[in-house]
Amino acid sequence: EPEVTQTPSHQVTQMGQEVILRCVPISNHLYFYWYRQILGQKVEFLVSFYNNEISEKSEIFDDQFSVERPDGSNFTLKIRSTKLEDSAMYFCASATGPMNTEAFFGQGTRLTVV
Amino acid sequence: SQKIEQNSEALNIQEGKTATLTCNYTNYSPAYLQWYRQDPGRGPVFLLLIRENEKEKRKERLKVTFDTTLKQSLFHITASQPADSATYLCALDDGTASKLTFGTGTRLQVTL
Repeated sequence: EPEVTQTPSHQVTQMGQEVILRCVPISNHLYFYWYRQILGQKVEFLVSFYNNEISEKSEIFDDQFSVERPDGSNFTLKIRSTKLEDSAMYFCASATGPMNTEAFFGQGTRLTVV
Repeated sequence: SQKIEQNSEALNIQEGKTATLTCNYTNYSPAYLQWYRQDPGRGPVFLLLIRENEKEKRKERLKVTFDTTLKQSLFHITASQPADSATYLCALDDGTASKLTFGTGTRLQVTL
Protein backbone atom coordinates (compact mmCIF):
# COMPACT_ATOMS: atom_id res chain seq x y z
CA GLU A 1 0.00 0.00 0.00
CA PRO A 2 1.42 3.43 -0.90
CA GLU A 3 2.50 5.57 2.00
CA VAL A 4 3.95 8.95 2.85
CA THR A 5 7.54 8.61 4.03
CA GLN A 6 9.25 11.08 6.33
CA THR A 7 12.90 11.35 7.29
CA PRO A 8 14.48 11.53 9.74
CA SER A 9 12.20 9.97 12.32
CA HIS A 10 13.91 11.96 15.05
CA GLN A 11 16.07 15.08 14.82
CA VAL A 12 17.82 16.81 17.68
CA THR A 13 19.17 20.26 16.95
CA GLN A 14 20.60 23.20 18.82
CA MET A 15 18.62 26.38 19.13
CA GLY A 16 19.36 28.72 16.26
CA GLN A 17 20.34 25.97 13.84
CA GLU A 18 18.60 25.28 10.56
CA VAL A 19 16.78 22.01 10.03
CA ILE A 20 15.26 20.42 6.96
CA LEU A 21 12.54 17.86 7.36
CA ARG A 22 11.96 15.63 4.37
CA CYS A 23 8.89 13.95 3.01
CA VAL A 24 8.18 11.73 0.04
CA PRO A 25 4.46 12.01 -0.70
CA ILE A 26 2.45 9.35 -2.50
CA SER A 27 3.43 9.49 -6.16
CA ASN A 28 0.15 10.48 -7.84
CA HIS A 29 -0.84 13.00 -5.20
CA LEU A 30 -0.99 16.68 -6.06
CA TYR A 31 -1.71 18.37 -2.73
CA PHE A 32 0.85 18.49 0.05
CA TYR A 33 0.70 19.65 3.63
CA TRP A 34 2.73 20.09 6.77
CA TYR A 35 1.16 19.85 10.19
CA ARG A 36 2.76 19.80 13.61
CA GLN A 37 1.79 18.45 17.00
CA ILE A 38 3.38 19.69 20.19
CA LEU A 39 3.47 16.93 22.80
CA GLY A 40 0.06 16.48 24.38
CA GLN A 41 -1.60 19.06 22.13
CA LYS A 42 -3.68 18.95 18.99
CA VAL A 43 -2.51 18.58 15.42
CA GLU A 44 -2.02 22.06 13.94
CA PHE A 45 -1.95 23.12 10.31
CA LEU A 46 1.21 24.79 9.05
CA VAL A 47 1.04 25.03 5.27
CA SER A 48 -0.60 23.63 2.16
CA PHE A 49 1.14 23.39 -1.21
CA TYR A 50 -0.28 22.82 -4.66
CA ASN A 51 0.99 23.41 -8.18
CA ASN A 52 4.42 24.40 -6.87
CA GLU A 53 3.19 27.15 -4.66
CA ILE A 54 1.82 27.72 -1.18
CA SER A 55 -1.99 27.63 -1.14
CA GLU A 56 -2.41 28.65 2.45
CA LYS A 57 -0.29 29.05 5.56
CA SER A 58 -1.08 29.48 9.21
CA GLU A 59 0.12 32.14 11.63
CA ILE A 60 2.67 29.62 12.90
CA PHE A 61 4.29 29.49 9.45
CA ASP A 62 6.28 32.69 9.75
CA ASP A 63 9.40 33.83 7.89
CA GLN A 64 11.48 31.18 9.65
CA PHE A 65 9.64 28.45 7.77
CA SER A 66 9.77 27.56 4.10
CA VAL A 67 8.67 24.65 1.94
CA GLU A 68 10.00 23.31 -1.30
CA ARG A 69 9.34 20.55 -3.77
CA PRO A 70 12.77 20.45 -5.33
CA ASP A 71 12.61 17.45 -7.62
CA GLY A 72 9.02 16.36 -8.18
CA SER A 73 9.15 13.68 -5.51
CA ASN A 74 10.44 15.21 -2.27
CA PHE A 75 8.61 17.84 -0.24
CA THR A 76 10.68 19.59 2.39
CA LEU A 77 10.05 21.85 5.35
CA LYS A 78 12.91 24.10 6.40
CA ILE A 79 13.13 25.93 9.68
CA ARG A 80 15.84 28.55 9.37
CA SER A 81 16.66 29.34 12.98
CA THR A 82 15.06 26.89 15.36
CA LYS A 83 13.60 27.93 18.69
CA LEU A 84 12.85 25.81 21.73
CA GLU A 85 9.13 26.14 21.02
CA ASP A 86 9.61 24.52 17.60
CA SER A 87 10.04 21.19 19.39
CA ALA A 88 7.16 19.06 18.14
CA MET A 89 6.18 16.18 15.92
CA TYR A 90 5.99 17.34 12.31
CA PHE A 91 3.68 15.47 9.96
CA CYS A 92 3.68 15.61 6.21
CA ALA A 93 0.45 14.72 4.41
CA SER A 94 -0.57 14.33 0.80
CA ALA A 95 -3.84 13.91 -1.06
CA THR A 96 -5.18 13.52 -4.58
CA GLY A 97 -7.47 16.50 -4.08
CA PRO A 98 -7.93 19.38 -1.69
CA MET A 99 -8.78 18.72 1.93
CA ASN A 100 -12.26 17.50 1.14
CA THR A 101 -10.68 14.18 0.21
CA GLU A 102 -8.82 11.59 2.21
CA ALA A 103 -5.41 12.78 3.37
CA PHE A 104 -2.53 10.40 3.98
CA PHE A 105 -0.18 11.32 6.78
CA GLY A 106 3.39 10.22 7.27
CA GLN A 107 4.70 8.80 10.53
CA GLY A 108 6.21 12.11 11.49
CA THR A 109 9.57 13.59 12.42
CA ARG A 110 10.08 14.30 16.08
CA LEU A 111 12.07 17.54 16.28
CA THR A 112 13.76 18.32 19.57
CA VAL A 113 15.40 21.73 19.92
CA VAL A 114 17.86 21.98 22.79
CA SER B 1 -14.04 32.36 18.38
CA GLN B 2 -13.88 29.09 16.48
CA LYS B 3 -13.75 25.92 18.52
CA ILE B 4 -13.75 22.19 17.95
CA GLU B 5 -14.47 20.27 21.13
CA GLN B 6 -13.94 16.63 21.82
CA ASN B 7 -14.11 14.96 25.22
CA SER B 8 -10.70 15.42 26.72
CA GLU B 9 -11.26 12.64 29.21
CA ALA B 10 -10.51 9.13 28.09
CA LEU B 11 -13.41 6.89 27.24
CA ASN B 12 -13.13 3.44 28.81
CA ILE B 13 -15.31 0.76 27.35
CA GLN B 14 -15.65 -2.99 27.58
CA GLU B 15 -14.88 -5.17 24.60
CA GLY B 16 -17.95 -5.86 22.49
CA LYS B 17 -19.75 -2.67 23.45
CA THR B 18 -20.37 0.32 21.21
CA ALA B 19 -18.10 3.32 21.71
CA THR B 20 -19.57 6.73 20.93
CA LEU B 21 -17.32 9.76 20.59
CA THR B 22 -18.54 13.32 20.21
CA CYS B 23 -17.25 16.27 18.22
CA ASN B 24 -18.89 19.66 18.70
CA TYR B 25 -17.93 22.79 16.85
CA THR B 26 -18.74 26.48 17.05
CA ASN B 27 -18.37 29.29 14.54
CA TYR B 28 -17.62 26.93 11.67
CA SER B 29 -19.73 26.07 8.66
CA PRO B 30 -17.84 23.04 7.41
CA ALA B 31 -18.67 21.48 4.09
CA TYR B 32 -17.32 18.19 5.41
CA LEU B 33 -15.92 16.59 8.52
CA GLN B 34 -13.35 13.84 8.87
CA TRP B 35 -12.41 11.36 11.57
CA TYR B 36 -8.89 10.08 12.06
CA ARG B 37 -7.27 7.56 14.34
CA GLN B 38 -3.93 8.34 15.98
CA ASP B 39 -1.76 5.87 17.86
CA PRO B 40 0.96 7.14 20.24
CA GLY B 41 3.93 8.58 18.35
CA ARG B 42 2.32 7.95 14.94
CA GLY B 43 0.62 10.07 12.30
CA PRO B 44 -3.16 10.36 11.97
CA VAL B 45 -4.83 7.68 9.87
CA PHE B 46 -7.94 8.58 7.90
CA LEU B 47 -11.11 6.71 8.83
CA LEU B 48 -14.18 8.43 7.41
CA LEU B 49 -15.28 11.61 5.69
CA ILE B 50 -18.85 12.90 5.82
CA ARG B 51 -20.19 15.82 3.83
CA GLU B 52 -22.67 18.43 5.03
CA ASN B 53 -25.48 16.97 2.92
CA GLU B 54 -24.94 13.48 4.39
CA LYS B 55 -26.57 12.55 7.67
CA GLU B 56 -24.72 9.29 8.20
CA LYS B 57 -21.80 7.31 6.80
CA ARG B 58 -20.76 3.75 7.55
CA LYS B 59 -17.64 1.71 7.02
CA GLU B 60 -17.48 -1.78 8.48
CA ARG B 61 -17.87 -1.32 12.29
CA LEU B 62 -17.63 2.46 12.07
CA LYS B 63 -20.49 4.92 11.77
CA VAL B 64 -20.38 8.70 11.63
CA THR B 65 -23.27 11.13 11.86
CA PHE B 66 -23.18 14.82 11.04
CA ASP B 67 -25.80 17.25 12.32
CA THR B 68 -25.17 20.73 10.96
CA THR B 69 -28.03 22.15 13.02
CA LEU B 70 -26.62 20.88 16.31
CA LYS B 71 -23.07 21.47 14.98
CA GLN B 72 -22.11 18.02 16.08
CA SER B 73 -20.70 14.79 14.75
CA LEU B 74 -20.92 11.45 16.51
CA PHE B 75 -18.46 8.63 15.81
CA HIS B 76 -19.50 5.11 16.72
CA ILE B 77 -17.45 1.93 16.86
CA THR B 78 -19.64 -1.12 17.24
CA ALA B 79 -18.42 -4.42 18.68
CA SER B 80 -15.33 -2.65 19.98
CA GLN B 81 -12.06 -4.56 20.34
CA PRO B 82 -8.88 -3.86 22.35
CA ALA B 83 -7.19 -3.08 19.00
CA ASP B 84 -9.54 -0.10 18.66
CA SER B 85 -7.78 1.55 21.60
CA ALA B 86 -6.32 4.82 20.27
CA THR B 87 -6.98 8.54 20.13
CA TYR B 88 -9.70 9.56 17.68
CA LEU B 89 -9.49 12.97 16.08
CA CYS B 90 -12.27 14.99 14.55
CA ALA B 91 -11.19 17.39 11.80
CA LEU B 92 -13.11 19.84 9.69
CA ASP B 93 -12.54 22.33 6.97
CA ASP B 94 -12.96 26.05 7.40
CA GLY B 95 -14.55 26.49 3.99
CA THR B 96 -11.32 26.91 2.06
CA ALA B 97 -10.66 23.20 1.44
CA SER B 98 -6.99 24.15 1.89
CA LYS B 99 -6.58 22.78 5.36
CA LEU B 100 -8.09 20.73 8.13
CA THR B 101 -8.55 21.99 11.66
CA PHE B 102 -8.29 19.23 14.23
CA GLY B 103 -9.92 18.77 17.59
CA THR B 104 -7.83 17.70 20.57
CA GLY B 105 -8.99 14.12 20.22
CA THR B 106 -10.57 11.61 22.56
CA ARG B 107 -8.61 8.64 23.83
CA LEU B 108 -10.52 5.38 23.68
CA GLN B 109 -9.48 2.45 25.84
CA VAL B 110 -11.19 -0.88 25.15
CA THR B 111 -10.68 -3.49 27.84
CA LEU B 112 -11.34 -7.21 27.91
